Amino acid sequence: AQSVTQPDIHITVSEGASLELRCNYSYGATPYLFWYVQSPGQGLQLLLKYFSGDTLVQGIKGFEAEFKRSQSSFNLRKPSVHWSDAAEYFCAVGSSNTGKLIFGQGTTLQVKP
Amino acid sequence: DTAVSQTPKYLVTQMGNDKSIKCEQNLGHDTMYWYKQDSKKFLKIMFSYNNKELIINETVPNRFSPKSPDKAHLNLHINSLELGDSAVYFCASSQDLLGQVRNTIYFGEGSWLTVV
Repeated sequence: AQSVTQPDIHITVSEGASLELRCNYSYGATPYLFWYVQSPGQGLQLLLKYFSGDTLVQGIKGFEAEFKRSQSSFNLRKPSVHWSDAAEYFCAVGSSNTGKLIFGQGTTLQVKP
Repeated sequence: DTAVSQTPKYLVTQMGNDKSIKCEQNLGHDTMYWYKQDSKKFLKIMFSYNNKELIINETVPNRFSPKSPDKAHLNLHINSLELGDSAVYFCASSQDLLGQVRNTIYFGEGSWLTVV
């Protein structure tokens, strides 16, 4: 069965520091992988997605993610975090067979001044 | 203009009541969804509709009844509300049935339901 694990429930970083949010997935075929961000009181916004090709994908707001098939991972990174990046981050895997998105439980990012 | 809009944003109601959440998308998409985000932040699909036809029903209790009068609207009606129904409900839409995995799925801002 497909599943997504985000090992870190809560992460705190200082503004200007680098960030890496971890995501591991379980899927039998080549997955469609996504990162979404949810700001407080808001809906989810797509940051980036991976379908195929280059394993390093660039997204909005300066985020990037790297697909590593050998590690079943799709970690999200940002070189320098801004206070406005404080939010909830969700990794998701999509199945082209079922048309479903399976979300991880989310990582709460707190940014210290 | 909001692409996917849902109302109400906040709803507090007593156990046993019946309530509805409305959703509209102005993107011309064929497929709409309802997701539930529980208190532990888990986000899980409940229903999907494609051109007003029910496609996905994730073993949701039949107290939950989605209604799609046209492909731009997908409303969620909940009968006999229970404490465990307290959650954030997100409406979403995508271009087509596989849009949420191939393209972009657009989410509404959520409806916070509290059952007391």
